[in-house]
Amino acid sequence: NAGVTQTPKFQVLKTGQSMTLQCAQDMNHEYMSWYRQDPGMGLRLIHYSVGAGITDQGEVPNGYNVSRSTTEDFPLRLLSAAPSQTSVYFCASSPRPSGRGDEQFFGPGTRLTVL
Amino acid sequence: AQTVTQSQPEMSVQEAETVTLSCTYDTSESDYYLFWYKQPPSRQMILVIRQEAYKQQNATENRFSVNFQKAAKSFSLKISDSQLGDAAMYFCAYRSGYGSSNTGKLIFGQGTTLQVKP
Repeated sequence: NAGVTQTPKFQVLKTGQSMTLQCAQDMNHEYMSWYRQDPGMGLRLIHYSVGAGITDQGEVPNGYNVSRSTTEDFPLRLLSAAPSQTSVYFCASSPRPSGRGDEQFFGPGTRLTVL
Repeated sequence: AQTVTQSQPEMSVQEAETVTLSCTYDTSESDYYLFWYKQPPSRQMILVIRQEAYKQQNATENRFSVNFQKAAKSFSLKISDSQLGDAAMYFCAYRSGYGSSNTGKLIFGQGTTLQVKP
């Protein structure tokens, strides 16, 4: 198993550009989520999904869209990049939406810089 | 709303010594889970240990153990026989145990950077 994969690993955007961060998992996990990591703030939830076709907002959803057309993939779209979106982005998955004690498996992260 | 606080931005320990990282949390829930994650310079998030709130016994994983004080809402991580490979940022995290409000959301503390001196 490759686990959780993310592409790209690094990305530089100009203000106003759009892009999609890719996330895929091969563990047949139902639950997937996106976090952003900023210095001194830990990780904060952007969006999450409890299964194909079902998504919902997390703590900091503004400026981001997600969709979940398959169990495996959960892309994160930045509609119009802003410098405030400069961050490290992590995708994570866990087996069951109701599995509250389940370990969440994290991808390697994407470092995004918006100029 | 639940919050998690790590009040030590940086800690250091001598190789082979023991170090304790602090974490406090605030919640009105009685059913929840607590986690410690390690983030080495590679950036990969690695689960170190987890604790179920309904279990009084402290979790242990080899050289890692926790001191879970439910009444005080404290969840510290003890690393024994510290090794150079333990150098990393450590995050404490909370996850609700309630189905009605469960988003699977992990609420993270700010992180503690651990330096291990040879």
